[in-house]
Parts: sequence; structure tokens; C-alpha cells
Amino acid sequence: GQQLNQSPQSMFIQEGEDVSMNCTSSSIFNTWLWYKQDPGEGPVLLIALYKAGELTSNGRLTAQFGITRKDSFLNISASIPSDVGIYFCAGQLTGGFKTIFGAGTRLFVKA
Amino acid sequence: SQTIHQWPATLVQPVGSPLSLECTVEGTSNPNLYWYRQAAGRGLQLLFYSVGIGQISSEVPQNLSASRPQDRQFILSSKKLLLSDSGFYLCAWSLQVGNEQFFGPGTRLTVL
Repeated sequence: GQQLNQSPQSMFIQEGEDVSMNCTSSSIFNTWLWYKQDPGEGPVLLIALYKAGELTSNGRLTAQFGITRKDSFLNISASIPSDVGIYFCAGQLTGGFKTIFGAGTRLFVKA
Repeated sequence: SQTIHQWPATLVQPVGSPLSLECTVEGTSNPNLYWYRQAAGRGLQLLFYSVGIGQISSEVPQNLSASRPQDRQFILSSKKLLLSDSGFYLCAWSLQVGNEQFFGPGTRLTVL
């Protein structure tokens, strides 16, 4: 079945640093989504991408839909302690009911 | 605006006992509904999805089942829980095929 490879698995950074994480797949996706999950809560949608090459920002977050439609990245600029959590990428196939999730990137921010 | 509720928030059950987790969505009609399980420190595993009342698709063979008795109600059940059923169960909804999914707050299930 389709799989998403999300990296890195975890990151330990200092407050104020920039962060970059990405997802790749052997499958072509029509939509890429990025979620953040705080401990003990459900994931919250951060950014949705619908077109190859699309670059979208949400505050300090920027995400891009890769040209090949097989990858996406998420950047966080000037990290703050509340950025701590698990970030999931997710891809959707054409006409599919299913959203395929990456394994997540665990972000730790030291003040 | 749309909201999604799950209950209970936490549950501790003995092995072999039954299970019923409920999810309801407000503020939308005919949503697609999903049940996911998240093991500790792991990603999301899709268990079931539903595109309408009484329509359930299973993704993973297991001792769990799902039902959709009403348009905005999705129930996850088991007749006999196993230790391996422990985890964080998330319900999600979307407007239509391929749209963004929005998650509920989750239910933490511990089977002892």
C-alpha cells in the first residue's frame, strides 16, 4: 500500500531556531496536509496544499507541495516553546476516501 | 461552525470486557466519518471510515467494529477487548472525498 516517509523522527532545537521537516512518497498525491498534535489531544490542521509547487504560509509556518507531487516540506521559523508537539504530514490520492499519514516528527524546543 | 465530540475522554477497561466509544459531529450534514487508532508514540492507523448512514468500510481486520446509526454519529465497539486494543482513539470528519479531515479530542483507552 501507499506509504509516507516522514523525517526526521524527532528534533531537539533551541528556542528561536528554524525547523524543517519533510515527507516523501513513491505515490503521487493530489493534496498534502500538515497537522500538529499536542500531547493528549487530537491533531489540528495547520496547512493544506492542493497544487504542485504551491507554497503556503500560516504565520511562522510555511509548507510546499513538491513539483513531482510526491513530497512536501514544512518549515517553522523562529521556534517558540509552544511549537512543541508532533507534526504529521498527510497525503490524499485522487478520488480516495483515505488520508495517508506519516509517522510524525516529534519537536522539542528548549527555552 | 462545525464541532466534533468524543466520549469518554479516558477509559480503563479489563481484558474481555465490551467497548463503546462515541463520536458526534455538529454543524454539518452528511460528513465522511473516520476512526483512527494511535499507539503510544506512533502515527495514525485508519480503522474504519463511513460515507453515509449504515455504510462502514473496514481498513484493518481486528476485533473492533464500527456503526453509524445516524448521519452525524459514529460508534466504535468491541465485544471483547484485548490488551493490544489499548491506545488513543481519534474520530475525524471531512466534508467529502479528498477533503481535509478534522479531528476530535480523542479517547484514551487502557486495557488491563
